[in-house]
Amino acid sequence: GEDVEQSLFLSVREGDSSVINCTYTDSSSTYLYWYKQEPGAGLQLLTYIFSNMDMKQDQRLTVLLNKKDKHLSLRIADTQTGDSAIYFCADHGSSNTGKLIFGQGTTLQVKP
Amino acid sequence: DTAVSQTPKYLVTQMGNDKSIKCEQNLGHDTMYWYKQDSKKFLKIMFSYNNKELIINETVPNRFSPKSPDKAHLNLHINSLELGDSAVYFCASSHTSGPSGKETQYFGPGTRLLVL
Repeated sequence: GEDVEQSLFLSVREGDSSVINCTYTDSSSTYLYWYKQEPGAGLQLLTYIFSNMDMKQDQRLTVLLNKKDKHLSLRIADTQTGDSAIYFCADHGSSNTGKLIFGQGTTLQVKP
Repeated sequence: DTAVSQTPKYLVTQMGNDKSIKCEQNLGHDTMYWYKQDSKKFLKIMFSYNNKELIINETVPNRFSPKSPDKAHLNLHINSLELGDSAVYFCASSHTSGPSGKETQYFGPGTRLLVL
């Protein structure tokens, strides 16, 4: 079945760039998403990319998609302590059921 | 103003009890979902409804029964609660179930269920 994998932990210094990586197995993926979860909170949609795009930029966020390698990354420029959270990659696939397959989440720790 | 809301936010109950979690969205979306997040933060879909009709039921025990009285509401009823049901339950909604470009899902704040 479909699978989404992420590394579990990333630590960076404030002001540095963070790059969170994700790999997926579904070759018919349509949309891929990044969600952010702060402690004790719900999931906040950060950004998404359609499968026919290579890159999407939104202020400090840059999403890169390598469809051939089924690799997705989220780059956060000028990382701030408020960016500390768990980041989830999610794959929609091509079904019409709306089912999202989530990665395990990457905990981003930003040190002052 | 809240787009997707859930009640209650916290639920502590004894094993064997029956409880319900309510979800409402004011986004005018057609599709609603329930996800379960376990203690390791892993998120898995449980159910989805499109226009009040069930379209996903992901091998969830039949102690869990979703009910959609209308498009804007999807409630989750759990019978005979077990210790393993302790988790965070998230409701979400989207315009459509896709793929159409309108399937982006918006999540509620979660309900933290603890079964003792």
